[in-house]
Amino acid sequence: QQQVKQSPQSLIVQKGGIPIINCAYENTAFDYFPWYQQFPGKGPALLIAIRPDVSEKKEGRFTISFNKSAKQFSLHIMDSQPGDSATYFCAASIKTGANNLFFGTGTRLTVIP
Amino acid sequence: DVKVTQSSRYLVKRTGEKVFLECVQDMDHENMFWYRQDPGLGLRLIYFSYDVKMKEKGDIPEGYSVSREKKERFSLILESASTNQTSMYLCASSLTGASGYGYTFGSGTRLTVV
Repeated sequence: QQQVKQSPQSLIVQKGGIPIINCAYENTAFDYFPWYQQFPGKGPALLIAIRPDVSEKKEGRFTISFNKSAKQFSLHIMDSQPGDSATYFCAASIKTGANNLFFGTGTRLTVIP
Repeated sequence: DVKVTQSSRYLVKRTGEKVFLECVQDMDHENMFWYRQDPGLGLRLIYFSYDVKMKEKGDIPEGYSVSREKKERFSLILESASTNQTSMYLCASSLTGASGYGYTFGSGTRLTVV
């Protein structure tokens, strides 16, 4: 059972466009929502994260929007660049236990020059 | 700079061979994980360990085993490699009870079984 549902599976945008990747969850015990960025041939790396007590977080061109009541969160990439082409994973975490981070299935983003 | 290091970037093994994938972390993390990544299937958890000599099955443990003799090292073992185990393997580590930090991943090992 997928604890975090992510869409779309793939996304192609023109340079300068604003790709949006959406994620949804059910478990209200989740208290930390990171996004990971993975370039080809590399492991995923933490990109940006949000706690459920805020509705938006920006870091550079990357923004997380969080809707606690709908149990949804999304990643927006402003002024996207070809160098943003990567696979993006959303995730959700709970405090307890060792295996406490649950990943979405990933979105492969391609930004066309 | 904290690191999770996987010993091999690329491996080619023959069907039936016993394969060892090694992972070392220098962050004194209690938890370590092995995932495999296949196109369209995301990250699938094979095994994880929350302490030395402790291990737990993940979602797809069949055909794999693990070993954690030291806190910093977590090994994935393919007892008899098969072609359907051709994949990207990712090791990760984390702190217990630290939901605000996420996981740190290694760069991955691309395994091809022929």
